[in-house]
Amino acid sequence: DIQMTQSPSSVSASVGDRVTITCRASQGISTWLAWYQQKPGKAPKLLISAASSLESGVPSRFNGRGSGTDFTLTISSLQPEDFAIYYCQQAYSFPFTFGPGTKVDIK
Amino acid sequence: QVQLVESGGGVVQPGRSLRLSCAASGFTFSNYAMHWVRQAPGRGLEYLALISYDVDDKSYADSVKGRFTISRDNSKNTLNLQMRSLRSEDTAIYYCVRDSAVTTAGGYFDLWGRGTLVTVSS
Repeated sequence: DIQMTQSPSSVSASVGDRVTITCRASQGISTWLAWYQQKPGKAPKLLISAASSLESGVPSRFNGRGSGTDFTLTISSLQPEDFAIYYCQQAYSFPFTFGPGTKVDIK
Repeated sequence: QVQLVESGGGVVQPGRSLRLSCAASGFTFSNYAMHWVRQAPGRGLEYLALISYDVDDKSYADSVKGRFTISRDNSKNTLNLQMRSLRSEDTAIYYCVRDSAVTTAGGYFDLWGRGTLVTVSS
């Protein structure tokens, strides 16, 4: 199975800050990567697929980049509604594994 | 509206079985591969199983292979997960999830149910 890691595991930030989360795959996955946002008590929400393709309705302050084994999710100007846990997930091969998550909370 | 609604969760003793269901509405269920994903309390997401849109292909993560069976009934717009020999480590919220691709399994999950909680405890 492909292992996914994320860093940092948590980050404290203020509204307006730029936040970058890193995701690394244990082997090359091309651009077969998704990012999800999960708020407390809610199901995850798909933000980005194919490493950089923003889902419909997702604000443009979210940006995904990368290919191969290294990927980033950047929130350009953190908004109050962005405080959540973010997961990466590889869609390259079965089983479709998730990263452990990065919690973005208020400084 | 477009939604997935899980049911069937509850408290079950170790070693027993439980069947989860997911009712889909608002979209052409038979066009989409479907998945189950779970989340243990306070933990991350764990991928479990896939079933193709036409029921021909089923795949499982090693953690549940041989114990869990995924199935679907396209005439009833329903996805199921039969769970056997349950263990304490199976305690989790179980999510029914739609694949974002039509008539294939692209591996991206664009529609999630609210989840159903399964607690395995004596």
